[in-house]
Amino acid sequence: EIVLTQSPGTLSLSPGERATLSCRASQSVSSTFLAWYQQKLGQAPRLLIYGASNRAAGIPDRFSGSGSGTDFTLTISRLEPEDFAVYYCQKYGDSPLTFGGGTKLEIK
Amino acid sequence: QVQLVQSGAEVKKPGSSVKVSCKSSGGIFNSYTINWVRRAPGQGLEWMGGIIPMFGSPNYSQKFQGRVTITTDETTSTAYMELTSLTSDDTAVYYCARGSILFFGSKTYYNYFDFWGQGTLVTVSS
Repeated sequence: EIVLTQSPGTLSLSPGERATLSCRASQSVSSTFLAWYQQKLGQAPRLLIYGASNRAAGIPDRFSGSGSGTDFTLTISRLEPEDFAVYYCQKYGDSPLTFGGGTKLEIK
Repeated sequence: QVQLVQSGAEVKKPGSSVKVSCKSSGGIFNSYTINWVRRAPGQGLEWMGGIIPMFGSPNYSQKFQGRVTITTDETTSTAYMELTSLTSDDTAVYYCARGSILFFGSKTYYNYFDFWGQGTLVTVSS
């Protein structure tokens, strides 16, 4: 099973700042099979990025994904108030699918 | 428009079982994957397992193997997740999530999840 480790666990930033979230895999993951989700309190997760760098429909261009192999990054260029939430990376494709432990992005 | 509508909240005793449903509308039910994901209090998302109705055979996370059963009813476009031998650690919000099927050569794969149910809170308490 591929284990995904996200860092930091919590990130405290202010609106307007840049956020960089990391996802490291225990073994190489094809870029085709790496996604990012956002989850707000009391809501279901929402797909942000798939294939490591492709934005899902309706996702603002301040969200971008990059990386390959074992290291992947989600970047939010300028934080808006609605961006403060928990973010998860996911490896899909082969079973088992796995999620990282999440990064909580909180207002500083 | 795709919608996944889950059954309501449940309160269960330790040692019992729970069965959560997920009714799909919009799209062709058996041409997608249906997955079950949970989030326990203070924890992250966990993939429990998934199924491709077109092929029928579910896949399970090793953590839940032997305790979870995922089934589908194509006549009603509904997926089910049953979890047995419940303990307080199973208290969580359970989500169903839909993804498309990836085909590479002769193999099929689970794609990312583009639609999610609203979640079902399962509370296990004596």
